[in-house]
Amino acid sequence: NAGVTQTPKFQVLKTGQSMTLQCAQDMNHEYMSWYRQDPGMGLRLIHYSVGAGITDQGEVPNGYNVSRSTTEDFPLRLLSAAPSQTSVYFCASSYRSSNEQFFGPGTRLTVL
Amino acid sequence: EDQVTQSPEALRLQEGESSSLNCSYTVSGLRGLFWYRQDPGKGPEFLFTLYSAGEEKEKERLKATLTKKESFLHITAPKPEDSATYLCAVGAGGYQKVTFGTGTKLQVIP
Repeated sequence: NAGVTQTPKFQVLKTGQSMTLQCAQDMNHEYMSWYRQDPGMGLRLIHYSVGAGITDQGEVPNGYNVSRSTTEDFPLRLLSAAPSQTSVYFCASSYRSSNEQFFGPGTRLTVL
Repeated sequence: EDQVTQSPEALRLQEGESSSLNCSYTVSGLRGLFWYRQDPGKGPEFLFTLYSAGEEKEKERLKATLTKKESFLHITAPKPEDSATYLCAVGAGGYQKVTFGTGTKLQVIP
């Protein structure tokens, strides 16, 4: 099992550009989430999904979109990048019945 | 509002020098308290879930304990490979209600 994979590992964008961060898991987990991690702050939930076709907002959803057409994939779209979105982004997944989240290796995003 | 405060922010230990990391929390309706380990440039790795006051869990040199207000991660005779940032988080209500602390960065010196 590859676990949770994320691409790209690094990305630099200019203000106003759009892009999609990819996340995939091969553990057949129902739940998937996107977090951002900033210095001096804990991980903050952006969006989450409890199954294919079902998504909802987390703590900091503005400027991001998600969709979940399959159990395996949960892409995060930045609509119009802003410097405030410079961060490290983590995707995580878990079984519905478990509190244990499996995290991907992260994407380090810089918006100039 | 749920809150998680971890202390100290950073801790430097000699190899073999035992110590404890603290996680203080306020939450309405605790579903679970979670400990994760995060190595530089990597995603967090799950360690433990504690569900109720008085519960303890162990894994190798790590032992996590829980009271109604705080959790401790005790590290016994640490080794350099225990160096990492340790994150505490609390879950309340639904799956999405998880609040993370900012972590304690542990460095174990040979």
